[in-house]
Amino acid sequence: QVQLKESGPGLVQPSQTLSLTCTVSGFSLTSYDVHWVRQPPGKGLEWMGGIWGDGSTAYNSALKSRLSISRDTSKSQVFLKMNSLQTEDTAIYFCTRSGSSWGQGVMVTVSS
Amino acid sequence: DVLMTQTPVSLPVSLGGQVSISCRSSQSLVHSDGNTYLHWYLQKPGQSPQLLIYRVSNRFSGVPDRFSGSGSGTDFTLKISRVEPEDLGVYYCLQSTHFPWTFGGGTKLELK
Repeated sequence: QVQLKESGPGLVQPSQTLSLTCTVSGFSLTSYDVHWVRQPPGKGLEWMGGIWGDGSTAYNSALKSRLSISRDTSKSQVFLKMNSLQTEDTAIYFCTRSGSSWGQGVMVTVSS
Repeated sequence: DVLMTQTPVSLPVSLGGQVSISCRSSQSLVHSDGNTYLHWYLQKPGQSPQLLIYRVSNRFSGVPDRFSGSGSGTDFTLKISRVEPEDLGVYYCLQSTHFPWTFGGGTKLELK
């Protein structure tokens, strides 16, 4: 059974760095791509970036300078790090396997 | 970036009725491998998006045949027949042919 679960701090201060973890089960990270998608409150979905089975990555150009996605295959975890956070980064952050299976999402609020 | 334009933004429906949602892209979604990576999602309130249709017209596992997708190139349609209460929510199209992946703005399906 494929499962993904996001974890991380619910509150981040402006200008700080966001670190999120997506812990997966039921599949191997070396065989499937995992992506991060975010959704500001009451708004639409934005693809942030992804990491493929071979370890290659791709990022949304609007976020590329601030964003890093990596993984630890031995722990079945995918990581998101984004620096210089601003209030407009307040959103629900989802991880998804190939767009077909999704985690429940984690709400991140950027506020002092 | 590929702009995905969804219409309408809001779609009132009666239970048992039929509706269509349009998704148009600013450039062709035909990949160099010959596939067209246009997908449809439903997001119910407080939930993660759920995949309905992948690659234009393929229903995802467990999706009832009341849902059908069609289209080609830059013009795509999702049709829902015999609308049921569990079909209400926001529908999104997603293109994953070009980087960055981009979502449509969403169509809210609600009761008349």
